[in-house]
Amino acid sequence: KAGVTQTPRYLIKTRGQQVTLSCSPISGHRSVSWYQQTPGQGLQFLFEYFSETQRNKGNFPGRFSGRQFSNSRSEMNVSTLELGDSALYLCASSPRGQQGSSTDTQYFGPGTRLTVL
Amino acid sequence: LAKTTQPISMDSYEGQEVNITCSHNNIATNDYITWYQQFPSQGPRFIIQGYKTKVTNEVASLFIPADRKSSTLSLPRVSLSDTAVYYCLVAYWDSGAGSYQLTFGKGTKLSVIP
Repeated sequence: KAGVTQTPRYLIKTRGQQVTLSCSPISGHRSVSWYQQTPGQGLQFLFEYFSETQRNKGNFPGRFSGRQFSNSRSEMNVSTLELGDSALYLCASSPRGQQGSSTDTQYFGPGTRLTVL
Repeated sequence: LAKTTQPISMDSYEGQEVNITCSHNNIATNDYITWYQQFPSQGPRFIIQGYKTKVTNEVASLFIPADRKSSTLSLPRVSLSDTAVYYCLVAYWDSGAGSYQLTFGKGTKLSVIP
């Protein structure tokens, strides 16, 4: 099975712009989660989508949004970019995701490195 | 505020056993505790997952005490290729948001010395 793929791998934007990142999960996986990774804050949970619905959400401002399509592919959008949004954005897929309090094993993609100038 | 803490770094010689502990108070009652390994320029990779007591697979063991307020990842006989950052992951219920927060520890950088 092909692993989780993320596009693009690298991206450079300027402050105020918006950006859309894409994630294709492992075939058959219905849950996609997004994380932001920075040296200072580590890995922080953004949100989880399951069957096209946002099921869990982290503590990020509304500038960060996402969606999931019927084929489980997911996109993440960041509007009005700030310098602090520079980070590695990781996508992870799993068969069932966060069902109740039970966390399914997640499979991570290589990430998209976003640089905001 | 729910918090997950782990040591920032550890050094070990090849062939030794390494134990990395993660403290996680107030985790969701029925949640599993999961550990991931990350190499530079790669996404985290699943190592092991457990709910309580002890779990062992071909690469690691996971010890979880009865109160589940901590967990210890044990890597037997480490090699140079085990040099990486190790993260614990747990879920906390956020009553304000009405959803679960998947929370990683800040990671433990393990350096294996020849």
